[in-house]
Amino acid sequence: QKEVEQNSGPLSVPEGAIASLNCTYSDRVSQSFFWYRQYSGKSPELIMSIYSNGDKEDGRFTAQLNKASQYVSLLIRDSQPSDSATYLCAVDRGAGSYQLTFGKGTKLSVIP
Amino acid sequence: GAVVSQHPSRVICKSGTSVKIECRSLDFQATTMFWYRQFPKQSLMLMATSNEGSKATYEQGVEKDKFLINHASLTLSTLTVTSAHPEDSSFYICSARRGRGGEKLFFGSGTQLSVL
Repeated sequence: QKEVEQNSGPLSVPEGAIASLNCTYSDRVSQSFFWYRQYSGKSPELIMSIYSNGDKEDGRFTAQLNKASQYVSLLIRDSQPSDSATYLCAVDRGAGSYQLTFGKGTKLSVIP
Repeated sequence: GAVVSQHPSRVICKSGTSVKIECRSLDFQATTMFWYRQFPKQSLMLMATSNEGSKATYEQGVEKDKFLINHASLTLSTLTVTSAHPEDSSFYICSARRGRGGEKLFFGSGTQLSVL
């Protein structure tokens, strides 16, 4: 069974600090990886997508992918209280199917 | 970005009744639509994948006769929970895949189903 594992947290960081969120996945053939932000009772909102090994930066967010280690991470710089949410790691099952396997999510709290 | 409308946002029903949830892509044609279910403090679990005009493909363990999916057009998919029971109470979310353009996948706002 294909799995996506995340530390459920909660992860608490002070405002202005860097938040580091981690995710591992079991299916080696996966090629597409996504980070979503979800507020309670709401649907997921795409933060970043990454497809190649290395880093991808978008504003305060940086996604990192290491396919050899089957590991993907999300760094949030200059964390803000509004970043407090649950962050979901999602992995495409393959071949651009967009059938996503989600992790349980990491709850992030940014303390003012 | 593209918009996917899902309604109702919340529904409360009695055990044994059927509930229909609609998912519409408002400004693009969705080649594929997906239905997910999320229990409290759990991850989103894919229930089924549907392509317009063809039968939905259900994930292992999801009863196709209980969760009826109709994808009659490129902009509309419906999920009907038949003979709902309290254990079906969950957050149901649809997503739609756009055939062209940058971002490909868009989520609806979700439906919180509570079965009494």
